[in-house]
Amino acid sequence: EPEVTQTPSHQVTQMGQEVILRCVPISNHLYFYWYRQILGQKVEFLVSFYNNEISEKSEIFDDQFSVERPDGSNFTLKIRSTKLEDSAMYFCASRVGTSDTQYFGPGTRLTVL
Amino acid sequence: GDSVTQMEGPVTLSEEAFLTINCTYTATGYPSLFWYVQYPGEGLQLLLKATKADDKGSNKGFEATYRKETTSFHLEKGSVQVSDSAVYFCALSDANSGNTPLVFGKGTRLSVIA
Repeated sequence: EPEVTQTPSHQVTQMGQEVILRCVPISNHLYFYWYRQILGQKVEFLVSFYNNEISEKSEIFDDQFSVERPDGSNFTLKIRSTKLEDSAMYFCASRVGTSDTQYFGPGTRLTVL
Repeated sequence: GDSVTQMEGPVTLSEEAFLTINCTYTATGYPSLFWYVQYPGEGLQLLLKATKADDKGSNKGFEATYRKETTSFHLEKGSVQVSDSAVYFCALSDANSGNTPLVFGKGTRLSVIA
């Protein structure tokens, strides 16, 4: 069964460094999402992406964040200058156009020191 | 804006007990409703969904009915197992909100003891 994959599973970085989190959505899906979950808190929407552009973003998704689909398979989230409060689990999700069901990857745990 | 309120946890049950996790929602449109489950150390997995009023979603012995009159989508299971221990998230997707991002509740941690 096809699934969303994410790499790395765990990333440790120093404050102020740039990180890129990678996702490979399910191949026939058209809509892509990033969410984050700070430890012990709810899952929060960051950004959605369709047709090679951002379709919606939350207040959390400020100028430090960017997303890209550099080729036909990868979907990346970049944080330009990480802060301590960016430490969280980051989930990628995707869905086909004909259903509102989103399928999630296993997540990348980001730790900012 | 849209929101989801879930029963606070943690919930601890003995094996074969009946489970209810309450979920209510606020939405401007006619949302689809979901339950996702997060097993220890893993990502979010779709457990079940319902897309319109009075629909019942079901999977792996879990059920939830979309109640528009009470804006609720409570999760139930008649007999829980130790393997059901996980965090359960209620979520909604409102088609009126652009590219339908999911809005999650805070999650309810369930522990089932043998």
